[in-house]
Amino acid sequence: NAGVTQTPKFQVLKTGQSMTLQCAQDMNHEYMSWYRQDPGMGLRLIHYSVGAGITDQGEVPNGYNVSRSTTEDFPLRLLSAAPSQTSVYFCASSYGGGRPYEQYFGPGTRLTVT
Amino acid sequence: SQQGEEDPQALSIQEGENATMNCSYKTSINNLQWYRQNSGRGLVHLILIRSNEREKHSGRLRVTLDTSKKSSSLLITASRAADTASYFCATDGRSGGSNYKLTFGKGTLLTVNP
Repeated sequence: NAGVTQTPKFQVLKTGQSMTLQCAQDMNHEYMSWYRQDPGMGLRLIHYSVGAGITDQGEVPNGYNVSRSTTEDFPLRLLSAAPSQTSVYFCASSYGGGRPYEQYFGPGTRLTVT
Repeated sequence: SQQGEEDPQALSIQEGENATMNCSYKTSINNLQWYRQNSGRGLVHLILIRSNEREKHSGRLRVTLDTSKKSSSLLITASRAADTASYFCATDGRSGGSNYKLTFGKGTLLTVNP
């Protein structure tokens, strides 16, 4: 299994540009999440999904959109990039159901907005 | 908002020594997890402890949980240079938390000197 994959690894955008960060998992996980990590900070939840067709906002959703049309893919869209969105973005997935499960993380996308 | 807070922020030890990191959190939880992040990489799950457990072991890792004090500790015994990484605690939070809505602390940067 490839696990959780993210593309691209690095991206530089100009203010106002839009782009999509890709995330895919091949473990048939129900739950998928997007986090951002800023220097000296832990991870903050942007959006999450509990299954295909179901998404919801996390702690810092402004400026981002998500959709989940398949179990495998969970893309994150930046609508109009701002310098405050410069960060490292991580996608994660986990099993669903009532039991607690670990999250599996992708390698991250390092985004710089100038 | 950050639910967990790790302490210390940074820890430097010699190879072979034990490393202890602490995590405090604010609200009741269902479970608490510890993750490791090597520089520039995604997070890797280390161990999960449920709220009705007090101690858990995995190899050289020992985690304790004190729900009355809302705190947890991660002990790494006989540390190695390869243990150099940032360590994060993550909680689900009983109120609206789940596998997909983890709240992470800011992490402890552990440096193990050879």
